[in-house]
Amino acid sequence: EVQLVESGGGLVQPGGSLRLSCAVSGFTFSSYDMHWVRQATGKGLEWVSGIDTSGETHFAGSVKGRFTISRENAKNSLELQMNSLRVGDTAVYYCARGKGSGRTRCMDVWGKGTTVTVSS
Amino acid sequence: SYELTQPPSVSVSPGQTASITCSGDKLGDKFAAWYQQKPGQSPVLVIYQDTRRPSGIPERFSGSNSGNTATLTISGSQAPDEADYYCQAWDSSTAEGVFGTGTRVTVL
Repeated sequence: EVQLVESGGGLVQPGGSLRLSCAVSGFTFSSYDMHWVRQATGKGLEWVSGIDTSGETHFAGSVKGRFTISRENAKNSLELQMNSLRVGDTAVYYCARGKGSGRTRCMDVWGKGTTVTVSS
Repeated sequence: SYELTQPPSVSVSPGQTASITCSGDKLGDKFAAWYQQKPGQSPVLVIYQDTRRPSGIPERFSGSNSGNTATLTISGSQAPDEADYYCQAWDSSTAEGVFGTGTRVTVL
């Protein structure tokens, strides 16, 4: 069974840092692009970041320069390092498996999410 | 940055057809995907590459994309189809994923 399990969420003060992890199982992790998508309470989905199988990374403008994404294929693990956190970063963060390439990129399997709260 | 706009809500009677639109500049030159999200649950991919259905998604879900508009159609809507639906595309010019604003579908 394909599974994505996020962890690392919590309460952090503005300006602080947090590292999210996504443990995957049930598929060959190294063969898939991976993404992080977030959703503030009562709001829509927002794509945050993605990493290709080659290690190439992509970021939404709202997090560029503050967030980094990485993957460790040997451990079947995806991570999101979030620095200089803002109140507006408060959301549920989902890990998602990528499908397609280039213009066809989308996400076909999602985790249950981990909650990040940025507040003083 | 690229934007995708959806109507906030769509209502449909059981057994009827619901159409959800997603508008963006030259969206037809990109590929649209659609996700269903029920309250308290993670999103589920229901359409990818404009028209393709993942395994396990009912045939009543279909998609199209042309010009500036992509459309998700639910034929013979059922109560379990009540959910929020989001379109999504990849903006190659900025290498960013983009989600639509979301549409709440009510079956009543």
